[in-house]
Amino acid sequence: QSALTQPASVSGSPGQSITISCTGTSSDVGGYNYVSWYQQHPGKAPKLMIYDVSNRPSGVSNRFSGSKSGNTASLTISGLQAEDEADYYCSSYTSSSTYWVFGGGTKLTVL
Amino acid sequence: QVTLRESGPALVKPTQTLTLTCTFSGFSLSTSGMCVSWIRQPPGKALEWLARIDWDDDKYYSTSLKTRLTISKDTSKNQVVLTMTNMDPVDTATYYCARIPASWSAFDIWGQGTMVTVSS
Repeated sequence: QSALTQPASVSGSPGQSITISCTGTSSDVGGYNYVSWYQQHPGKAPKLMIYDVSNRPSGVSNRFSGSKSGNTASLTISGLQAEDEADYYCSSYTSSSTYWVFGGGTKLTVL
Repeated sequence: QVTLRESGPALVKPTQTLTLTCTFSGFSLSTSGMCVSWIRQPPGKALEWLARIDWDDDKYYSTSLKTRLTISKDTSKNQVVLTMTNMDPVDTATYYCARIPASWSAFDIWGQGTMVTVSS
């Protein structure tokens, strides 16, 4: 059981927008602005898409955005494209001695 | 260009000790604030953070694995080494190393990962 809760799957059609949620506690998501999101295609290493809740690294499309409300963070992908089909993981720094926790991952299917 | 590459045995037997090396380029682990972490992913499962080493040699470990893990660095060789003792089949996973840049709280660049199978 992962420390952060994500939906197992989401889907959307090309051009649509989807949102993936990531629910934690006041010890992690709610307590720090240190939520990050990673995209992972099959057989590949994760790629950082969002850091510190809502910041995009250089080179990441502005179709990807992040936000947070209370203990829940969200990743929104607008203008869905076929290449967005992948697994997405959220992560947060935590005040527990685990330091970093991940979500269970969400499989995005582009219909 | 920042790159990281993991290396180590593909197969280890139960109870053996695993030693993985992360060789990186494009940055220095002696730069203030720079960190490198190890993260693993069992087949078909989620990511799990294991350990982190900082530029000043501070070290942090996952509570659940702390007694089995040791992380170290060789700044002159641009390498970070992770050892995990008493390997078990449940430790079968792809092991990644990743950089945490100074003043960041996220893993910005990852290695391609190395698959480790624990089996007799």
